[in-house]
Amino acid sequence: AQRVTQPEKLLSVFKGAPVELKCNYSYSGSPELFWYVQYSRQRLQLLLRHISRESIKGFTADLNKGETSFHLKKPFAQEEDSAMYYCALSGYKGGSEKLVFGKGTKLTVNP
Amino acid sequence: DSGVTQTPKHLITATGQRVTLRCSPRSGDLSVYWYQQSLDQGLQFLIQYYNGEERAKGNILERFSAQQFPDLHSELNLSSLELGDSALYFCASSLQGFYGYTFGSGTRLTVV
Repeated sequence: AQRVTQPEKLLSVFKGAPVELKCNYSYSGSPELFWYVQYSRQRLQLLLRHISRESIKGFTADLNKGETSFHLKKPFAQEEDSAMYYCALSGYKGGSEKLVFGKGTKLTVNP
Repeated sequence: DSGVTQTPKHLITATGQRVTLRCSPRSGDLSVYWYQQSLDQGLQFLIQYYNGEERAKGNILERFSAQQFPDLHSELNLSSLELGDSALYFCASSLQGFYGYTFGSGTRLTVV
């Protein structure tokens, strides 16, 4: 079964501090992993996908297959980073590539 | 504008009623996905359509149904509404899922 776990519901850091949002997954095949961000219950926006190994808004994430993790990191948090962050997994099964989301982590960056 | 259009943005209706939510996917995308977002359950996958055919089903209640039309827009029908159906309903589209989805702005449904 596909499962995504984000162990922290809430995470609070100060501006300029490093931030790490944790994501662990369970999937028997080769997953595609994503991070989505949602500001104030607006639409979800794709932040990162591991397949492209890009860095967006200073965020990076590395897929660790041994630990089945895909943690999101940023060295210096900004106030505008305050939002809900969702880790998601896509596994091709039965002709479908549906995304399974974690419950999300609400990040608050304090001034 | 993400390219995925959802209407209406807000909907307030009474228990027992039926509503239809509409989604137009991004140009070129063949797959449409519906998700329900509530405070306690997070993002729950409801159903996926690919080029007019149902491809995958998630935690979708029997009172809910969906379809995708030849022009690729999709509708989610919610009937016999209950207070607990109040949520944000998101539609997303993709060409191929492993590139990620593009989400619409959602429809906020309030059942009173």
